[in-house]
Amino acid sequence: DGGITQSPKYLFRKEGQNVTLSCEQNLNHDAMYWYRQDPGQGLRLIYYSQIVNDFQKGDIAEGYSVSREKKESFPLTVTSAQKNPTAFYLCASSIRSGRWAEQFFGPGTRLTVL
Amino acid sequence: AQTVTQSQPEMSVQEAETVTLSCTYDTSESNYYLFWYKQPPSRQMILVIRQEAYKQQNATENRFSVNFQKAAKSFSLKISDSQLGDTAMYFCAFINFGNEKLTFGTGTRLTIIP
Repeated sequence: DGGITQSPKYLFRKEGQNVTLSCEQNLNHDAMYWYRQDPGQGLRLIYYSQIVNDFQKGDIAEGYSVSREKKESFPLTVTSAQKNPTAFYLCASSIRSGRWAEQFFGPGTRLTVL
Repeated sequence: AQTVTQSQPEMSVQEAETVTLSCTYDTSESNYYLFWYKQPPSRQMILVIRQEAYKQQNATENRFSVNFQKAAKSFSLKISDSQLGDTAMYFCAFINFGNEKLTFGTGTRLTIIP
């Protein structure tokens, strides 16, 4: 089955620690995205990547880092510089084309800072 | 900058009734896509319906239909014969043609009452 997987489902982090969220897709999509979701707010874009070895900052990139070494994978690192990292994180992917702009989402990771 | 506004934070309707969720957006572009995504309690984002701005005909998917008013920049979602499984957060989203950055509204929490 084609789809997007995110792991882990729940993640706990102590203050001052970096943590990496995994996102893998087997849809052969070129573009991948990371969103953050907080209560009462819509999804906010953290980073996105249109091709391998290239990525751009979204609206709230401070305190986060990403890599795109493989087409299928787009891990997100939440660094200690992110002051309020507790949130729900969603990964998405899409065919890199203006016509088919639909983004498909993974099941999400809930990050809690202790 | 593009913005998406959902003015109804919460709504509730009786099962089998019809409900309409509102969405307005702001853009200076003429070619774009609009989406409604559903996020049930599982938090998995699911595409409900999509509308291309160049199409005058309103999109329909089974019990879900939209009222797309391009001049008014309005994109409402109508759910007919509502079911308990329709209980979810609903997000309106917008993307310019050729762009990979989705802009989301803040969502409407819809509860279907048995």
